[in-house]
Amino acid sequence: DTEVTQTPKHLVMGMTNKKSLKCEQHMGHRAMYWYKQKAKKPPELMFVYSYEKLSINESVPSRFSPECPNSSLLNLHLHALQPEDSALYLCASSQEKLGGGHQPQHFGDGTRLSIL
Amino acid sequence: DAKTTQPTSMDCAEGRAANLPCNHSTISGNEYVYWYRQIHSQGPQYIIHGLKNNETNEMASLIITEDRKSSTLILPHATLRDTAVYYCIVRVAWDEGGADGLTFGKGTHLIIQP
Repeated sequence: DTEVTQTPKHLVMGMTNKKSLKCEQHMGHRAMYWYKQKAKKPPELMFVYSYEKLSINESVPSRFSPECPNSSLLNLHLHALQPEDSALYLCASSQEKLGGGHQPQHFGDGTRLSIL
Repeated sequence: DAKTTQPTSMDCAEGRAANLPCNHSTISGNEYVYWYRQIHSQGPQYIIHGLKNNETNEMASLIITEDRKSSTLILPHATLRDTAVYYCIVRVAWDEGGADGLTFGKGTHLIIQP
C-alpha cells in the first residue's frame, strides 16, 4: 500500500465538466508534485509545490489548476479538458530539508482520467 | 540534467541477478544517479541513488564506473514481482530553494521469466 493516497482511482468526464483530483499524504512532507503519464510513456512533471506554495509550473495549460490547501493535501482542478488530456495523473511527495539533499519522492498509484 | 540511455527491454530468469545498465556519458560532477521503478498499474517507486561510490540497500545495488559515465543497477535475486519499468535518472541534488521534479527517460522494461 502506498503512503500517498489519490482519489478517485478512475474518472470519466466530458469536455465541459469540472472535476477535481485529490492527493493526500500524512508523512509530514512539505514538497508535493503532480505528474502526467500517457500510455506507454514515462511520467512528465506538471507542478511542484513547496511549503504549500507553487514553485514550478511546467507550462501546463490553464485548464489544469493546482491547489495546495494545507501541507497534507494537493488538488488538481480540471475544467474544459480535451480528449488528449486522457492519461494517468500521479501525485508524489517528498521531504524538504534546509540545505537540500536527496529526498526520494513517494508516489501514489494515480488517477486514470478519460475525457469523452 | 544529463541525458541517460537505457535498453528498451530485458529478460531475466527468476532467482538470477538482474543487471540493468544505464549510460550517462555527459554527467556532471555534481549530478547523482537515481533509480526508480514502476510496476504495472502503480506509481513509480524509489530504489537507490549514488554519486560515485557503489551503494547497496535492501532492494538493490548500484555500481557506478570510475569515470561515472555509466552505471548498473543490480537486483540480486530477481522475483516475478520485480517485473517493471526501471528508470535511470541523473540530476543534481536540489539545494536551498526547494524541491524540483524528476525528469524520466524511457526506461528499461525488465521482464522476469519463471
